[in-house]
Amino acid sequence: AQKITQTQPGMFVQEKEAVTLDCTYDTSDPSYGLFWYKQPSSGEMIFLIYQGSYDQQNATEGRYSLNFQKARKSANLVISASQLGDSAMYFCAMREPLRAAGNKLTFGGGTRVLVKP
Amino acid sequence: DTAVSQTPKYLVTQMGNDKSIKCEQNLGHDTMYWYKQDSKKFLKIMFSYNNKELIINETVPNRFSPKSPDKAHLNLHINSLELGDSAVYFCASSQGTGAIHEQYFGPGTRLTVT
Repeated sequence: AQKITQTQPGMFVQEKEAVTLDCTYDTSDPSYGLFWYKQPSSGEMIFLIYQGSYDQQNATEGRYSLNFQKARKSANLVISASQLGDSAMYFCAMREPLRAAGNKLTFGGGTRVLVKP
Repeated sequence: DTAVSQTPKYLVTQMGNDKSIKCEQNLGHDTMYWYKQDSKKFLKIMFSYNNKELIINETVPNRFSPKSPDKAHLNLHINSLELGDSAVYFCASSQGTGAIHEQYFGPGTRLTVT
């Protein structure tokens, strides 16, 4: 079974509008971390935001916020006021369990976002 | 200054050859990783080193051998290249292996095996 699922292979969003990228995860461990990365067409992977399983508040970083619903095992990324430069692939990733050695990230399949002017 | 750098950026070679990809980070991190991204953009970890010690070794053919001469470098050597090895290989680094340590990725090396 996939540990990280991104159900939206691709989506369009109008410039200046908000967009929500879905991510659901599967783990039986109470201690884990969730990450979002952006991969523009140039290919590099850019870290966006992190949410720990014990964090009480949803993470925010500028225009990025994470809608963390623990009971539903979802960690959706919200990008507010989309810009043309937001056009990219977006990957959700999970690190589990936090107490284990290593920092292994398991990635979802990604969502391609295209911002329309 | 490039935080995580990889060389070469592109690598085209024939089946059966042996090749290496080099990675260097100037962030002072003590943990480094190799990931493989296939043609469908699926990204999967291959190896991880912490202070030059191998700590993650996923199910990877033993034709792939990582080497970490020091904390700032992690190289990937691939023997007897096969068509299926064609992919983008990313190096990454992080400070430690604990909870909130995001990984910083290099620009990737696109390997094409013909």
